[in-house]
Amino acid sequence: NAGVTQTPKFQVLKTGQSMTLQCAQDMNHEYMSWYRQDPGMGLRLIHYSVGAGITDQGEVPNGYNVSRSTTEDFPLRLLSAAPSQTSVYFCASSPISGTGVYGYTFGSGTRLTVV
Amino acid sequence: ILNVEQSPQSLHVQEGDSTNFTCSFPSSNFYALHWYRWETAKSPEALFVMTLNGDEKKKGRISATLNTKEGYSYLYIKGSQPEDSATYLCARNTGNQFYFGTGTSLTVIP
Repeated sequence: NAGVTQTPKFQVLKTGQSMTLQCAQDMNHEYMSWYRQDPGMGLRLIHYSVGAGITDQGEVPNGYNVSRSTTEDFPLRLLSAAPSQTSVYFCASSPISGTGVYGYTFGSGTRLTVV
Repeated sequence: ILNVEQSPQSLHVQEGDSTNFTCSFPSSNFYALHWYRWETAKSPEALFVMTLNGDEKKKGRISATLNTKEGYSYLYIKGSQPEDSATYLCARNTGNQFYFGTGTSLTVIP
């Protein structure tokens, strides 16, 4: 099992550029989410999805879009990158949403730098 | 207030010492409390999921307790080993959203 696969692992963008961070899981997990991790701060939820076709905002959604067309994939889009979006991004999934009774499986992270 | 707070922020112990960390969280709207272990250059890995007041979980030398009424959880490591060196995260679930603490960074000195 691959688990949760994130691509790319590293990316440098210029301010104003757009890009998509990819996340795919092969565990048939219902719940998928995106977090960003910044120095001195805990992991902060950007967006999450409780199933195909259903997405919602987390703590820090501004500047990011998501979609969930399949159970397996949950891409994160930066429409116009800003230096404040320099961070490490993690995708995470779990079997069932809404109860928190299952632990997350995390991807390996994407380190994004916006210059 | 949704903040999850962890203490201490960092900790250095000698190999063989036992240690513990604290996770504090608002007790309202509680669904579950998670502990994760996060080694440098890796992804966080789930250690424990606890849902009921008084829950105690154990995995080898690591154990955790939960008090939902007063809003805290303790993580214990017995006989620390160098391979236990990592950041330990806790996260509170309020339904579909998780709120993470900033973690306790543990260094075990051989």
